[in-house]
Amino acid sequence: EVQLVESGGGLVQPGRALRLSCTASGFNFDDYAVSWFRQAPGKGLEWVGCIRSKAYRGSTDYAASVEGRFSISTDESKTVAYLQMESLKIEDTAVYYCTRDPIMWGNGGSWFDPWGQGTLVAVSS
Amino acid sequence: EVVMTQSPATLSVSPGERATLSCRASQNVNTNLAWYQQKPGQGPRLLIHSASTRVTGIPARFSGSGSGTEFTLTIISLQSEDFAVYYCQQYNTWPPITFGGGTKVE
Repeated sequence: EVQLVESGGGLVQPGRALRLSCTASGFNFDDYAVSWFRQAPGKGLEWVGCIRSKAYRGSTDYAASVEGRFSISTDESKTVAYLQMESLKIEDTAVYYCTRDPIMWGNGGSWFDPWGQGTLVAVSS
Repeated sequence: EVVMTQSPATLSVSPGERATLSCRASQNVNTNLAWYQQKPGQGPRLLIHSASTRVTGIPARFSGSGSGTEFTLTIISLQSEDFAVYYCQQYNTWPPITFGGGTKVE
């Protein structure tokens, strides 16, 4: 069964860093692009960024709101994806989800399935 | 950036009735559109992709239609488990991937 589980969320002060993890089962990130999304409390869904499959040499793209502060990577086993968040702002407070482009060798620009349960990041002093 | 607009923001329907949700794109997205259902405390669940292709395991009462800039998600004979928030998402022109603001079916 294909599954994704996010972890690493918590309470962090503005300006600090946090790293989220996304652990995959049933597939690996060499073959599929993975994307991070977020949802502020009571709000809609916002794309954060993606890391593509090896077919696209693991290239990345980011939303303008996080460009230069957030980065996405994968571990050597290609079963864990990370969202490294630096210089966190109060407006980064949200539930963060990871999900995948279900098309093998896809470029990350697709529909997304499955989604994890999310991990809450609260930025506050 | 492609702006997605969903209407209405809230839709009040009774079980057994039909629900019609609309999604409009600010520019042509062809049929590169997906619909998701989200319940409180859960991640989104993919219902439909390519505007009208229902995902395996999604009940046949869910259907999607449209192309270009106008799209519709229809739920016939609404069941109690269908009360949720529904989002449309375009993947024609990206980055960024963009979503509509959601329609709450209550």
